[in-house]
This record gives sequence, C-alpha cells and structure tokens, in this order.
Amino acid sequence: EAQVTQNPRYLITVTGKKLTVTCSQNMNHEYMSWYRQDPGLGLRQIYYSMNVEVTDKGDVPEGYKVSRKEKRNFPLILESPSPNQTSLYFCASISGAGPSSTDTQYFGPGTRLTVL
Amino acid sequence: AQSVTQPDIHITVSEGASLELRCNYSYGATPYLFWYVQSPGQGLQLLLKYFSGDTLVQGIKGFEAEFKRSQSSFNLRKPSVHWSDAAEYFCAVGTPMEYGNKLVFGAGTILRVKS
Repeated sequence: EAQVTQNPRYLITVTGKKLTVTCSQNMNHEYMSWYRQDPGLGLRQIYYSMNVEVTDKGDVPEGYKVSRKEKRNFPLILESPSPNQTSLYFCASISGAGPSSTDTQYFGPGTRLTVL
Repeated sequence: AQSVTQPDIHITVSEGASLELRCNYSYGATPYLFWYVQSPGQGLQLLLKYFSGDTLVQGIKGFEAEFKRSQSSFNLRKPSVHWSDAAEYFCAVGTPMEYGNKLVFGAGTILRVKS
C-alpha cells in the first residue's frame, strides 16, 4: 500500500530538548515536504526536498532542520524546541513526474507536537 | 508569490442541503488548484484537483469544483451534504514552476452539518 508514515504521532516535550520526527515514503517519490498546521493559518511549508541531498527552505523554516540522505526518508529536526513550535506537523511526498491525474501529493497522518 | 483566501472560517448547512465553499487565489498565470478535506483527528485527503482543460472538475465523495479564471476562484460544491461531510476543507494552489515543491494552502473552512 502506498503510504507516508510519520513517527511519533504524538509527542510532548520540554523547551530545548532536541527531537526528531521521522518521515518515510514507500513510493520512490522524488519530492518530499514538511508542513505545519496551526488554527486559522492552514498549512505552511517548512522545508522541502527535490531529491537526495537536495533540500531548501519553505515559508517558515526558522527553528527547524531537515536532511535527505536516502530517497525514502526525510526527518524533521528541532534542535532546541520552543513553545511556539507546538503544532500539528505533516510530511508529504509526490513523484514530481508532472501534473496528471495519477501524480498525487500523499500526506502522512500527522504528528502532534507539544512543547512545554 | 501565490496566495489563497478562503473567506469563510465556518459554514453550517443542513443535511441534504447544497454546499458551496469559496476559494480565491492570487497568481499571475494559471495555477494548479486543489481541494483537500481533513476529518477530525485525521490527515489530509485529496478531493479533487485542476491542472488544465475542462474547468469543471469532478472529485470523490460527490464533490465538484469550478475554475473561473476571470474571478480567480475555485469554489467547491456538493449538491446534497451528508452528516459525514462535517470536516475542515482546505483549498491549495501550486504552480508549474514549483510543481512538486510546494503547495500554498488557505486557512481552511470548517463545515458543520446540522440534522
């Protein structure tokens, strides 16, 4: 089954304690992204990656890092989390082959992060 | 840069009534347009998408959307709402230059269905 998985699904942590949210896709997709969802703001892109070792900032990258060492994995790293990073996080992937009825953006189930 | 506006934060409709959710975008050329639905506690599910061609797009769950270039709109419609349609709906825009890289989302519209 084609899917994007994220772990953990729920996380409560404290300010300053480094954490990593993993994201993995099984569709051999080139493109992967991280978004955060906040009430009244919709989803905003944090980082994206076009392929292995190719990443770039989205609209709200401050306080986050990413890496793409393997095609299937795209972890999101918060080196020193702060309360304003409390949010719902989504990983997404797409093949990028071109707009068509079959090239669809797949979203993971989300990770709800609370930073105290 | 592209942007998306969903003017209605909340909408309440009666079960069986018709539904229209509004979406306006800002982009200099023809964008790629999407509608997603998020049920409570769930992830995002794609309802439909527009890339080119026929401006009336059919999606899953009986939804459709119409691209109107003159109004920069991509409104979502359903002729008869079911209680299970209660959810949050997001309109999103992508561009040919950034295909695969980025979607810009609206703030969302929360749909409530009353019996």
